[in-house]
Amino acid sequence: KNEVEQSPQNLTAQEGEFITINCSYSVGISALHWLQQHPGGGIVSLFMLSSGKKKHGRLIATINIQEKHSSLHITASHPRDSAVYICAIRGETSGSRLTFGEGTQLTVNP
Amino acid sequence: DSGVTQTPKHLITATGQRVTLRCSPRSGDLSVYWYQQSLDQGLQFLIQYYNGEERAKGNILERFSAQQFPDLHSELNLSSLELGDSALYFCASSLSGTAYGYTFGSGTRLTVV
Repeated sequence: KNEVEQSPQNLTAQEGEFITINCSYSVGISALHWLQQHPGGGIVSLFMLSSGKKKHGRLIATINIQEKHSSLHITASHPRDSAVYICAIRGETSGSRLTFGEGTQLTVNP
Repeated sequence: DSGVTQTPKHLITATGQRVTLRCSPRSGDLSVYWYQQSLDQGLQFLIQYYNGEERAKGNILERFSAQQFPDLHSELNLSSLELGDSALYFCASSLSGTAYGYTFGSGTRLTVV
């Protein structure tokens, strides 16, 4: 079983919809990251979380350390949000390396 | 531009060959990480360097090696290439590696034929 599990694997939405991507992990962490990977392949870091909630524009990320769970929300989704969203953790005992989920492929249709 | 520069962007080479991938970290960042993204394994940590010294090793094959130079740029050397080594190789950098975020490069797409 992977240390990081994401759901759903694939998500298709209509423009304007509210989107939620979930991430569960099984080990103690020092931080959790949400990453975005566009079709061209490049990876962009969206959020780094160790507690609570962060917001950047239409993106909101939350984490519940006790439940070992994080969510990424996109409000008023847009076709340009179409990408793979990847959850990654920095384990308490794994130094600064990241362990990744398999990613969620999001497609937002106009 | 993320500030992390990887070259080349694309590389096509034959089995058995040796290639070198290069990464220049974001200005001021001391840590460099190498990750491999393949279709069947997803993103996997390979190796980390901090200020010129190896800090952590992941699932890096013996045929692969890396180093970080005094100017903090890093190179990943892949030798005796096999078809299964075809993947996207990402470099990321961070200030110290423990309390700060990461900046990823745009990756090098390696195709072994």
